[in-house]
Amino acid sequence: KNQVEQSPQSLIILEGKNCTLQCNYTVSPFSNLRWYKQDTGRGPVSLTIMTFSENTKSNGRYTATLDADTKQSSLHITASQLSDSASYICVALTGGGNKLTFGTGTQLKVEL
Amino acid sequence: NAGVTQTPKFQVLKTGQSMTLQCAQDMNHEYMSWYRQDPGMGLRLIHYSVGAGITDQGEVPNGYNVSRSTTEDFPLRLLSAAPSQTSVYFCASSPNPGGNNQPQHFGDGTRLSIL
Repeated sequence: KNQVEQSPQSLIILEGKNCTLQCNYTVSPFSNLRWYKQDTGRGPVSLTIMTFSENTKSNGRYTATLDADTKQSSLHITASQLSDSASYICVALTGGGNKLTFGTGTQLKVEL
Repeated sequence: NAGVTQTPKFQVLKTGQSMTLQCAQDMNHEYMSWYRQDPGMGLRLIHYSVGAGITDQGEVPNGYNVSRSTTEDFPLRLLSAAPSQTSVYFCASSPNPGGNNQPQHFGDGTRLSIL
């Protein structure tokens, strides 16, 4: 069964600090791994997409890593801002089809 | 360029009522899909379409119908609302089937409560 598990479930950090969110996936065959940011009351917005051949990809202060051997990904946020408060969702795409498997998200709160 | 537009944003229904959730995109994307998002669960695919006139079932299709008469519009119809369909519904689009290395673009959702 295809699964995406994220940790931690929730996280509170101080503004300006860095943080790393984790994602473990078991999908077969694997095509790519995506990270989305979902603000409260809004739809998810794409941050990064990585194929199995990519180890890292950045989008501003967001850097995603992928280890296709261990089936793990992480999202690192540098110098956090209040606007980073959101749910971050890890999504794995199964190759050869339209199947996207979504994680339940990590709820991040950035405080002053 | 509005992206993906969903209406209404909020809706309250009584059990047994029917309604249609609207979704429109202005990016000329072939692939469109409907998801529901429930607390503690990842987004789940309800129905999807790879182009005008073509629709297919996703993971949780029961109780829902879709149609795709144009590239731009992909409405979701609840046939006879049940409390279990209380959820937040998201419509998404991408340039090609499955999106591959293209991101899906999501609307801002319809929050539906069934009493």
